[in-house]
Order: sequence, then structure tokens, then C-alpha cells
Amino acid sequence: DVKVTQSSRYLVKRTGEKVFLECVQDMDHENMFWYRQDPGLGLRLIYFSYDVKMKEKGDIPEGYSVSREKKERFSLILESASTNQTSMYLCASSVVRLGNMNTEAFFGQGTRLTVV
Amino acid sequence: AQSVAQPEDQVNVAEGNPLTVKCTYSVSGNPYLFWYVQYPNRGLQFLLKYITGDNLVKGSYGFEAEFNKSQTSFHLKKPSALVSDSALYFCAVKRWNQGGKLIFGQGTELSVKP
Repeated sequence: DVKVTQSSRYLVKRTGEKVFLECVQDMDHENMFWYRQDPGLGLRLIYFSYDVKMKEKGDIPEGYSVSREKKERFSLILESASTNQTSMYLCASSVVRLGNMNTEAFFGQGTRLTVV
Repeated sequence: AQSVAQPEDQVNVAEGNPLTVKCTYSVSGNPYLFWYVQYPNRGLQFLLKYITGDNLVKGSYGFEAEFNKSQTSFHLKKPSALVSDSALYFCAVKRWNQGGKLIFGQGTELSVKP
């Protein structure tokens, strides 16, 4: 079974702190994604990466950056945490096959971040 | 631009009754559609997908979805609901021009009462 593991289930951070959310997948997937989930808004894509050291902005990248130094690990960084970044953060991965269109993504369990 | 919409924030069903969770899509070209389920305090689990072929797609936990091209819909269905089906359900579509990223609807909360 594919396993996507997020390092923390719950985090509480102070405004202005630099925050690191870590995600590791064990299926050698090329694609990795970071989403943010808020009630009534569904999941919104923050960043994604299709290869080591490669990254692209999603729909809401402001205030975030990412790092992918190894294929299995994709980190989300909040440069200076703010209260409006309080949310559930979900990491996902997927394999590249037939142009990416027919492959499902596998999700981690989520990190609920509270910024106070 | 590819997008999906889930018109109902919440669906309430009695146990044993059939359930439908609605999803409509807007895509240019062939649609690649997915359903996911999220149980409380958990990540998303893949249920099923439509790529091509039969309009009725069968997935996990007894769920199925009906693809309707003329109505641009991809509704999730189950013939007999269980209390354990209570969860948050997301419809998603892949974007053609952005490496196949998943774009999600806002989610529908399904509540199945005994």
C-alpha cells in the first residue's frame, strides 16, 4: 500500500514563526502536492513538485515556499506564520503514467496547524 | 479552465436508503473525474475515477458514480447507505495544462442516520 506520512498531526505556532511541514512518501512517486483545506472552500493547491528540486506554484502560493531535495520528501515552509494560515494541510503524491491524467493521488493524514 | 462544483453542502440520508452526492464539472476536452472520501480527522481516501469507457464506474466500499456527458455531471451513488458512510466527500477533476493536478470541489457532508 502507498503510504504518505506527514510528520505532525497537530501543530501550534506563534505569529511570525517560521514553520516547516514535512511529508514523506514511500512509493517512489514523481509528483507531490501540498493542499490546504478550509471549510466551505474544499482543497486548494499551494505548490506541487514533479521532480527533485522542481516546483511550481499552485493557486494560493503566497506566504508559502517548498523544498524537494529528495524524491520521497516534500516540505512546506511558512516563512512567517500568520493567523490566516491556520488550517488543515494535506500532502499528496502520485505516479507519472500516461501523461498524468488517469492516476489518482494518495494523501497523508493531514496536519492541523493553529497559528496564535 | 477545469473545475467542479458540488451544489449541496450537506446530504442527509436514512440508513438503508439509497444515497446520491452530486457533482457537476466544467472542462475543455475529455474529463478525468475522481471521488474522494474524508473521515473525521483523516486524510482523503480515493474512492473511484472516470477516465473513459462505461458511464457507470464502480469503486470502493460499494460506491459507484454515474458519468453523464450531456448534463456534465458525475454523481456519486450507493444503493443502501450505512451509518459508517457518514463523512465528507470530494469530487475532483484533473487539469490538462498543469501536469494533471487535481482540482477539488468544496465538499459535501454526508450524514447517515440509523
